[in-house]
Amino acid sequence: DQQVKQNSPSLSVQEGRISILNCDYTNSMFDYFLWYKKYPAEGPTFLISISSIKDKNEDGRFTVFLNKSAKHLSLHIVPSQPGDSAVYFCAAFPLYSGGGADGLTFGKGTHLIIQP
Amino acid sequence: GAVVSQHPSRVICKSGTSVKIECRSLDFQATTMFWYRQFPKQSLMLMATSNEGSKATYEQGVEKDKFLINHASLTLSTLTVTSAHPEDSSFYICSARVFGGGRFSTDTQYFGPGTRLTVL
Repeated sequence: DQQVKQNSPSLSVQEGRISILNCDYTNSMFDYFLWYKKYPAEGPTFLISISSIKDKNEDGRFTVFLNKSAKHLSLHIVPSQPGDSAVYFCAAFPLYSGGGADGLTFGKGTHLIIQP
Repeated sequence: GAVVSQHPSRVICKSGTSVKIECRSLDFQATTMFWYRQFPKQSLMLMATSNEGSKATYEQGVEKDKFLINHASLTLSTLTVTSAHPEDSSFYICSARVFGGGRFSTDTQYFGPGTRLTVL
């Protein structure tokens, strides 16, 4: 049973526009969420994170929104640039409630394609 | 950020041999590292948690005797795939846990570049 879901395998966005990547989770113990960017045959690169005590975190062009009641988070990239084309993974773990179980649970990823 | 390295980046071996993969945190100390595996077009799956100075914690379904983990120092964890078989062919990625506060502004994991294992 998938505890972290990214229901869009791919997303195509025009350069300069906003990219919105979505993620849903089912495990109520998850209270810390991260977004990673990944190229084929490389390790994931950390982008941004958010804890459950916040509903928004911003870092440059990247903003993550968290809706705890809906168990939903989204990553907004604006403006989108060609270099943003990659697979984006949503990940979660129980930072505050997990008793040290810090391993990340990943979604299946969304392949973002930025078109010129 | 922080730098995590893995060696080798790619290895091809014969069935039945053992392969060791090293994961190093280059510019920080990591008491906790993690090993993940990614099959083609799949998500990253946590295999085990590697704790410096103690035994690794394995996820359900991961064979401890097949995937030996040693976290001998605060900067090095090794994963040894023993008696490798073709079904073990995968992309293995390690990560190191960092905690918010001090040098790092947020709790996160930094990942190594991964090791592509192909077992013939």
